[in-house]
Amino acid sequence: ETGVTQTPRHLVMGMTNKKSLKCEQHLGHNAMYWYKQSAKKPLELMFVYNFKEQTENNSVPSRFSPECPNSSHLFLHLHTLQPEDSALYLCASSQEVGTGIPFFGSGTQLSVL
Amino acid sequence: GENVEQHPSTLSVQEGDSAVIKCTYSDSASNYFPWYKQELGKGPQLIIDIRSNVGEKKDQRIAVTLNKTAKHFSLHITETQPEDSAVYFCAASSYGANSKLTFGKGITLSVRP
Repeated sequence: ETGVTQTPRHLVMGMTNKKSLKCEQHLGHNAMYWYKQSAKKPLELMFVYNFKEQTENNSVPSRFSPECPNSSHLFLHLHTLQPEDSALYLCASSQEVGTGIPFFGSGTQLSVL
Repeated sequence: GENVEQHPSTLSVQEGDSAVIKCTYSDSASNYFPWYKQELGKGPQLIIDIRSNVGEKKDQRIAVTLNKTAKHFSLHITETQPEDSAVYFCAASSYGANSKLTFGKGITLSVRP
């Protein structure tokens, strides 16, 4: 596989569920990102990892918990979400933070009931 | 921080006509301006970018122009085709270790056959 792969493509969960989103990049990049995309809004940067270390958390609620075990994999663990968290969650990677162009995956469309 | 505005929010053109999408930015330190295209069910894909040391860049039917004095940049698509129909995002950042890419809200381009 090439590029940035995200699974699952679609996810429906209740407010009491726990689920995880997975992202894998095959580009040899060192930086990985989580973005939230809601209708009629700009892409919102959530978390940034550079060489596996978290370098940015944009005031994201603790019900979203990222994990980056290595430079190729990124997870977003979800628990006790709210209906307003329904959105497209995009993963991206770049060569390094600030000096690389982000390449995006296709996203996970999340619906919270 | 940086603020990126896109106008209009929707644009409809006849196949074969040209389309122009405009963005403005607020931070004079920004020096890197990518454009992304997002098709239905896919993540944003980089289509062209420009750095502040040039005023214009072309790639086949697409071109981007930059006016640093006025702090605006534009995407030009000539000879539009139905497959150009998508959401287009502009973004701005300063190119460096601590930079952050700020996106506009996106514009939906519809090309009528």
